Amino acid sequence: AQSVTQLDSHVSVSEGTPVLLRCNYSSSYSPSLFWYVQHPNKGLQLLLKYTSAATLVKGINGFEAEFKKSETSFHLTKPSAHMSDAAEYFCVVSTGGATNKLIFGTGTLLAVQP
Amino acid sequence: SQTIHQWPATLVQPVGSPLSLECTVEGTSNPNLYWYRQAAGRGLQLLFYSVGIGQISSEVPQNLSASRPQDRQFILSSKKLLLSDSGFYLCAWSRTSGVKVFGPGTRLLVL
Repeated sequence: AQSVTQLDSHVSVSEGTPVLLRCNYSSSYSPSLFWYVQHPNKGLQLLLKYTSAATLVKGINGFEAEFKKSETSFHLTKPSAHMSDAAEYFCVVSTGGATNKLIFGTGTLLAVQP
Repeated sequence: SQTIHQWPATLVQPVGSPLSLECTVEGTSNPNLYWYRQAAGRGLQLLFYSVGIGQISSEVPQNLSASRPQDRQFILSSKKLLLSDSGFYLCAWSRTSGVKVFGPGTRLLVL
């Protein structure tokens, strides 16, 4: 069975400093992995996805994530945080197949200090 | 282009009252449809999914039910709400094995 673990429930960074949101996955086969962002009182927006192509995936708003099979990790990074990046971030694995169910991590709340 | 709608955006209901949340998708046909719930301080939990009209799969036992009366309509219901039903409910659609697109969500508060 697939699962994802987000290692930090809260991360706080200063504006202009790098962002690292950690995610480890468990899957019996090559997974499809995603990062979604949820701004306060808003729905979910896809940041990026990994589907067994390039291991370094670039997403929107300057975010990227690297799939590392040896470490079973899919950490989300950004070189320089903006105030508008403050939101909750979810690491997600897909079961694939006809039903294509998403298994969500518990989320990481990113705070950006001025 | 495809769009997904949910309503209402916010709902406050007393314990024991019925519930009906609606989700519709435009611009696509025969989508997979999903209902998720996000409780305060927790991740998203898949409640129901549907791969076609009248086909509903339930992921967790609960006080809620879902129906798909039309190809692009997905309804979440309850006959009697519980306090624990409070949360943020998200509808999503995808093509088979495709990326999910989420609706704007409905915030439900049961008092």
